[in-house]
Amino acid sequence: NAGVMQNPRHLVRRRGQEARLRCSPMKGHSHVYWYRQLPEEGLKFMVYLQKENIIDESGMPKERFSAEFPKEGPSILRIQQVVRGDSAAYFCASSEVPLNTGELFFGEGSRLTVL
Amino acid sequence: GENVEQHPSTLSVQEGDSAVIKCTYSDSASNYFPWYKQELGKGPQLIIDIRSNVGEKKDQRIAVTLNKTAKHFSLHITETQPEDSAVYFCAAPKGYQKVTFGTGTKLQVIP
Repeated sequence: NAGVMQNPRHLVRRRGQEARLRCSPMKGHSHVYWYRQLPEEGLKFMVYLQKENIIDESGMPKERFSAEFPKEGPSILRIQQVVRGDSAAYFCASSEVPLNTGELFFGEGSRLTVL
Repeated sequence: GENVEQHPSTLSVQEGDSAVIKCTYSDSASNYFPWYKQELGKGPQLIIDIRSNVGEKKDQRIAVTLNKTAKHFSLHITETQPEDSAVYFCAAPKGYQKVTFGTGTKLQVIP
């Protein structure tokens, strides 16, 4: 059973471009979480999704950021018109059930660098 | 969501000594308390968790204790080894909500 797969692992974008980060959860997992981590800092919650539904996006900036988890295919975190402050590691995690009853499995992260 | 405070932010110990990291939470409805370990350049990984119906849980050199009255839980690592060097995160989620992690503790084990 493959773990959580994130790609790309590293992404370089110029200011104003778009960044698309993909996350394939573990097989059988229907809950996906996205977190952002700045260097030497903690994990900041961004969004919690179930298949085809956004459950909680309270940690995601209202502008330029969006997330989806379609019925088929990976979850996508999309950042439009990137700025230097978007440079960070973005981690996806999945679980079979909500965290309060089970373990979160994290991917290796996608590291975005905005030039 | 829950508010979780984690201390200390950095911790250095000599190899073989014990390390203790503490988290406090504010929402008394929290009932699941996981600890995650993040090695450099990798994603966090669950190392131990505890549910609110028990006060302590051990797994070899690591243990977690929970004090629901005081609303704090701690990670204990005994006989530390260099491979224990990492960043450790706690969480105290409740219900079907977003999961907020503590600010992290960077543990350095000095050989």
